[in-house]
Amino acid sequence: AQKVTQAQTEISVVEKEDVTLDCVYETRDTTYYLFWYKQPPSGELVFLIRRNSFDEQNEISGRYSWNFQKSTSSFNFTITASQVVDSAVYFCALSNNNAGNMLTFGGGTRLMVKP
Amino acid sequence: EAGVVQSPRYKIIEKKQPVAFWCNPISGHNTLYWYLQNLGQGPELLIRYENEEAVDDSQLPKDRFSAERLKGVDSTLKIQPAELGDSAVYLCASSLRENTEAFFGQGTRLTVV
Repeated sequence: AQKVTQAQTEISVVEKEDVTLDCVYETRDTTYYLFWYKQPPSGELVFLIRRNSFDEQNEISGRYSWNFQKSTSSFNFTITASQVVDSAVYFCALSNNNAGNMLTFGGGTRLMVKP
Repeated sequence: EAGVVQSPRYKIIEKKQPVAFWCNPISGHNTLYWYLQNLGQGPELLIRYENEEAVDDSQLPKDRFSAERLKGVDSTLKIQPAELGDSAVYLCASSLRENTEAFFGQGTRLTVV
């Protein structure tokens, strides 16, 4: 069985603050894939990043960065200098071969960035 | 490049009525998914297709839900008869192949009254 936990259901920050969204996962597989998606009010899930379990390098893309730590089964997402347009629900997800390659999503974290 | 297209965006029906949702995936994407998203929760997989074959439908309530993917391209998800508890957003997604990133449509918001 696989599971993704996003303990923070809602976070509120003021514009320009940095914010980290936590994601903890459970899987028995040694090969798996981790994802982050953004869901703005329009409803469409927007793909942000995909990592495989063998690549623990942290990644930075503009104001976004991701910290993958296998030792703690975490894949956290940081937004630097947040902006109002970052307001959305963010989902962490996991897939692996033993689970039929289906994406298992966490419950999501609603981020509100206030001006 | 066009994204995943779903229709309709919104649907309101009375309970016990049938309803169908349509999805056109990204061109060339072999894998197609239907997800169910309840309010305030993450999406949950209903069914996954590899080309025209349903390879994972263990989460699909087969007594009232059915799906098809003709010619391995477009897909239709049907509910008959709909129940009040089916009110949710139905999301379609596609990916080039398994374990690659899935791209989602805007979803169909179903309200059963």
